[in-house]
Amino acid sequence: QVQLQESGPGLVKPSQTLSLTCTVSGDSISSGDHYWNWIRQAPGKGLEWIAYIFYNGNTYYNPSLKSRLNISIDTSKKQFSLNLSSVTAADTAVYFCARVYGPLGNAFDVWGQGTMVTVSS
Amino acid sequence: DIQMTQSPSSLSASVGDRVIITCRASQSISDYLSWYQQKPGKAPKLLIYAASTLHSGVPSRFSGSGSGTDFSLTISSLQPEDFATYYCQQSYSNPRTFGQGTKVDFK
Repeated sequence: QVQLQESGPGLVKPSQTLSLTCTVSGDSISSGDHYWNWIRQAPGKGLEWIAYIFYNGNTYYNPSLKSRLNISIDTSKKQFSLNLSSVTAADTAVYFCARVYGPLGNAFDVWGQGTMVTVSS
Repeated sequence: DIQMTQSPSSLSASVGDRVIITCRASQSISDYLSWYQQKPGKAPKLLIYAASTLHSGVPSRFSGSGSGTDFSLTISSLQPEDFATYYCQQSYSNPRTFGQGTKVDFK
């Protein structure tokens, strides 16, 4: 059974960098059928897709966040990570990691439970 | 970016009701449309992908239809566990985008 688990600080100060890691279990992170995503949800709001990364390091970032974003993957640890710099209160959200499985119409078929990140001094 | 617009934004229904939620894309997305269910404090769950294919383990009372720009999610007979927020999402192009959500609550 595939499981994703987010980890990282729950509180980040304004202007600092938000760093999160997603650990994959029960699946190969290196499969060409999958790619790995970050999605966030501000309190009481809808879902916003942030970025994805393939096992080989190829990435695509949401243009609205691209200038502040960096995501990476460590296949040996079965982890992928998100770094979002220069955060403001608008970055306060629950951050989810999620898998896309290509044969399922590129849908997000497995999600982590989410981790709440608050940006505040 | 492709805009996804759901309607209604919220609806009130009773157990046993037939519920239909629609989703419109700002341009054609073929059948690259998925539906998710989200309950408070939980991650979204995939219900339907490729516009009309039921994901494994999802009850058959859920169904999806449409292609191009217009899509719908139907719950044939609403059950107590179906009260939640539903989102559509396109995977036709980057950036991936979601509808704003439809909250289904008790009448």
